[in-house]
Amino acid sequence: GAVVSQHPSWVICKSGTSVKIECRSLDFQATTMFWYRQFPKQSLMLMATSNEGSKATYEQGVEKDKFLINHASLTLSTLTVTSAHPEDSSFYICSAGDSLSTDTQYFGPGTRLTVL
Amino acid sequence: QKEVEQNSGPLSVPEGAIASLNCTYSDRGSQSFFWYRQYSGKSPELIMFIYSNGDKEDGRFTAQLNKASQYVSLLIRDSQPSDSATYLCAVNGGGGADGLTFGKGTHLIIQP
Repeated sequence: GAVVSQHPSWVICKSGTSVKIECRSLDFQATTMFWYRQFPKQSLMLMATSNEGSKATYEQGVEKDKFLINHASLTLSTLTVTSAHPEDSSFYICSAGDSLSTDTQYFGPGTRLTVL
Repeated sequence: QKEVEQNSGPLSVPEGAIASLNCTYSDRGSQSFFWYRQYSGKSPELIMFIYSNGDKEDGRFTAQLNKASQYVSLLIRDSQPSDSATYLCAVNGGGGADGLTFGKGTHLIIQP
């Protein structure tokens, strides 16, 4: 099946710093990638839809100036959490759909962010 | 607002029995339905997807969809202890550009 990688797998940072998370589709091209966030004991919540070569579409309640998304190529999307605060601590997971296939999404392994 | 409802459990099933997981969704326009398995601390792993009413079988897993009732289910036959995980139901409007709306998941425990 399709493989999606994320880097880093975990990160600890100080409050006020910015953190960049990379999401790569390794063996297929992804016109669209998605970013989700999961708090403890909660389900995944869609944050934004990342489209190659265009601006991301953010879900209601997600600050686009705080969560910067760049989808510069068909295999790479990045999420930057700017001026991170402890309440941003969460499990961030990206997914990608194979452009040539169905709308099935394949998830990356996730990035656990802890903001001190 | 799109909603996906699942019983959070835990659902406890003896090894070798059939585990039945249920999900309802609010948006009648939903076209694609997915079941993911998530182990603690890990990201979701796709088990099955279903688009049409009826049953779809894949090995020990059977997904059932009833669009009229806005109901999706997953049956796991011959349950194994390794099947113990949280099962997430997800839906979207169809098409590769639509994100998924997830339920909160059902915690399944297979008792040896």
